[in-house]
Amino acid sequence: EDQVTQSPEALRLQEGESSSLNCSYTVSGLRGLFWYRQDPGKGPEFLFTLYSAGEEKEKERLKATLTKKESFLHITAPKPEDSATYLCAVRTALDYKLSFGAGTTVTVRA
Amino acid sequence: NAGVTQTPKFQVLKTGQSMTLQCAQDMNHNSMYWYRQDPGMGLRLIYYSASEGTTDKGEVPNGYNVSRLNKREFSLRLESAAPSQTSVYFCASSGHNQETQYFGPGTRLLVL
Repeated sequence: EDQVTQSPEALRLQEGESSSLNCSYTVSGLRGLFWYRQDPGKGPEFLFTLYSAGEEKEKERLKATLTKKESFLHITAPKPEDSATYLCAVRTALDYKLSFGAGTTVTVRA
Repeated sequence: NAGVTQTPKFQVLKTGQSMTLQCAQDMNHNSMYWYRQDPGMGLRLIYYSASEGTTDKGEVPNGYNVSRLNKREFSLRLESAAPSQTSVYFCASSGHNQETQYFGPGTRLLVL
């Protein structure tokens, strides 16, 4: 059974204090790893898709990387507006399903 | 282009009542999904529709039914609501390759 584990559960940062979020996964035949951002009371917003080990993608202060067993979401010099819950999900080659982790809630204080 | 829309935004039901959650997308996507999100847990798939006229069970289908009304609309029905169905429900859709899923704003359901 596919498993996705995100750590830490919560992360409190000072503005400008860079950090990383972890998403470890156990799947058979990874077809894609997805990162989403979710603000309180809203639906998940798509950020990145990574397909193979060694791949990296960037968007503003966010950078996602992928290895064979885990993905990292690096937040560089975060601002208060980066405060959100970040969700990781994986899709296998077998079917359409996305398996989600429980998320990491990031709070950035000014 | 509104993306994925959901109605209602919030609903309170009594145990045993029924209701239908509505979802529509204007991105011409073939596939649509219903998830529930509970505190401390990841999004869990309830039902899925690969294309108009087809539906499949996901991880937690018990107590729910779905209808893919047309390409744009996918509804979720609770026939006899239970307190365990208190949750936030999200609808999502994806394009022909079923890759990236785009989510609606959610429906918050409280069953008393």
